[in-house]
Amino acid sequence: GAVVSQHPSRVICKSGTSVKIECRSLDFQATTMFWYRQFPKQSLMLMATSNEGSKATYEQGVEKDKFLINHASLTLSTLTVTSAHPEDSSFYICSARGTSGGSYEQYFGPGTRLTVT
Amino acid sequence: GENVEQHPSTLSVQEGDSAVIKCTYSDSASNYFPWYKQELGKRPQLIIDIRSNVGEKKDQRIAVTLNKTAKHFSLHITETQPEDSAVYFCAAVEYNFNKFYFGSGTKLNVKP
Repeated sequence: GAVVSQHPSRVICKSGTSVKIECRSLDFQATTMFWYRQFPKQSLMLMATSNEGSKATYEQGVEKDKFLINHASLTLSTLTVTSAHPEDSSFYICSARGTSGGSYEQYFGPGTRLTVT
Repeated sequence: GENVEQHPSTLSVQEGDSAVIKCTYSDSASNYFPWYKQELGKRPQLIIDIRSNVGEKKDQRIAVTLNKTAKHFSLHITETQPEDSAVYFCAAVEYNFNKFYFGSGTKLNVKP
């Protein structure tokens, strides 16, 4: 089956620093990747949609200058949290859609636990 | 945009009983409705899905029903087992397939 990896799985950083999270589709090409944020005991909140070779589309209320997304290839998207603050601490999950025609399914990465101190 | 509501937020059942989780959606253009199971600290896993041209789909102990007119869909788990304990999320997908809107989640606890 389709596999999506994320790196790192956990990261602790100091307030004011930047953190980059990678999302890779390992055995398929992903034209579209999605970035979600999940707070404890809450649902997944879509942050942005990342399309290969074009600018990401951000959801309302998500600061694009703070959460930089780059989708440089069909297998890699990155999320950079810039000037991180403690309130950015969360579980970040990416997902990827395949390129097969008519494919609806999203494949989720294992998530990255970000803690900002 | 789409608005997905999910109920109940928590559900406790005895092992062997059935569990039902319900979701409603607002956008009539949504035409794909997946259900995910998420264990603590892990990624969501797709357990079953249904497209809008189908009213019901079953996979062993799990079934999903869809009422397009009423804009609601439900997850049914029969003969529940302790390993079914997890958080379940429903989602509705926009017609252009580019956005998944998730429900708020249901924490299912199956008591042995």
